[in-house]
Amino acid sequence: SAVISQKPSRDICQRGTSLTIQCQVDSQVTMMFWYRQQPGQSLTLIATANQGSEATYESGFVIDKFPISRPNLTFSTLTVSNMSPEDSSIYLCSTLAGGMETQYFGPGTRLLVL
Amino acid sequence: RKEVEQDPGPFNVPEGATVAFNCTYSNSASQSFFWYRQDCRKEPKLLMSVYSSGNEDGRFTAQLNRASQYISLLIRDSKLSDSATYLCVVNELGGSQGNLIFGKGTKLSVKP
Repeated sequence: SAVISQKPSRDICQRGTSLTIQCQVDSQVTMMFWYRQQPGQSLTLIATANQGSEATYESGFVIDKFPISRPNLTFSTLTVSNMSPEDSSIYLCSTLAGGMETQYFGPGTRLLVL
Repeated sequence: RKEVEQDPGPFNVPEGATVAFNCTYSNSASQSFFWYRQDCRKEPKLLMSVYSSGNEDGRFTAQLNRASQYISLLIRDSKLSDSATYLCVVNELGGSQGNLIFGKGTKLSVKP
């Protein structure tokens, strides 16, 4: 299994500002993922972050808006840039563990943009 | 567009009831399938994988019909602690690619 922590757990931000979310895994992992879950919606993959290479973004998400860092095998950050109220959501970090396909999630960061 | 569709819910059932959730997926090339559970204001957690032959884990039974692109989850003898949102999840690439497609979830509320 994998234990994942995220900081901050929640934040209220003003539009136009940026927030960086940190994700820490208790073991070394190859792939880390960033998801968004808007109210009443399913989880949507933002990007996949591999250590030593640039993140791979899904359709509808761009690096300028959601820059990602992956400095080592246990840590990643997601920045939500130039925020607007539409960015209000839960942001979840996850990784694969258990040798197969089990995906573990962090507790999420609840973001409210005013 | 690749989608995973679930029963809209919510399902409100008494303790001890049997409840079934259905899910359909649009991508016939999907490789693997899962049910995740998400408690209120918590992260999703894997409930069980879904195998072609069907599989059971205690009170939970999952079934897959590849021909119909249909997945189901059956919960027998519902407990109050089963109250949660159940997410149907499809991995389109298989293996460790992690390209999970999530349904919107079906909310279950088990009442005393």
